[in-house]
Amino acid sequence: EVQLLESGGHLGQPGGSLRLSCAASGFPFTNYLMSWVRQAPGRGLEWVAGISANGDRIYYADFVKGRFTISRDNSNNALFLQMNSLRAEDTAVYFCAKGSGVYGVLYFDSWGQGHLVTVSS
Amino acid sequence: DIQMTQSPSTLSASVGDRVTITCRASQNIYTWLAWYQQKPGKAPKFLIYKASILAGGVPSRFSGSGSGTEFTLTITSLRPEDFATYYCQQYDSYSLTFGGGTKVEIK
Repeated sequence: EVQLLESGGHLGQPGGSLRLSCAASGFPFTNYLMSWVRQAPGRGLEWVAGISANGDRIYYADFVKGRFTISRDNSNNALFLQMNSLRAEDTAVYFCAKGSGVYGVLYFDSWGQGHLVTVSS
Repeated sequence: DIQMTQSPSTLSASVGDRVTITCRASQNIYTWLAWYQQKPGKAPKFLIYKASILAGGVPSRFSGSGSGTEFTLTITSLRPEDFATYYCQQYDSYSLTFGGGTKVEIK
């Protein structure tokens, strides 16, 4: 059974930083693209970033380019999101999601339970 | 970016009803479309890919259709556990984009 478990900081200040982690199990992590998708309170789903199976291709939504960095550690089945220059509008539940393939444009067939990040002074 | 527009935003229905949700893309996405179901406080659940192919374990009362710019998700004979919010997602090109969601609520 695929399991994705997000963790990390919950509260960040405007202009500050937070780092999210996602521990993956139940599937061959090194074979799949992974992504972060977020959902602001009461709003819809918004794709944030994706990283190919071996980490050589990285994709970002325009609104996080230059501020967020996605990375992965295939030896430990872990996905990360480094969030810098935080803004109030980054407040959201952040989901770790498993892509349907190795790289490229994909859908998400498994999701973590989500991790709430609040940006506030 | 490709814009995805869902309609209606809210749909009131009763158990046993047939419901249809529409998703429109701002440009041709062929059949590169997925559907998800989300219940309050929960992660999205993957339902359909390539516009019409059901994910494993998804009941056959769910179906998807369409190509190009117009797509539909149909639930025949709505069950209590189907009351949720449904999202479409295009995977034709980056940035990946979702529709705004359709909440299926109890009439």
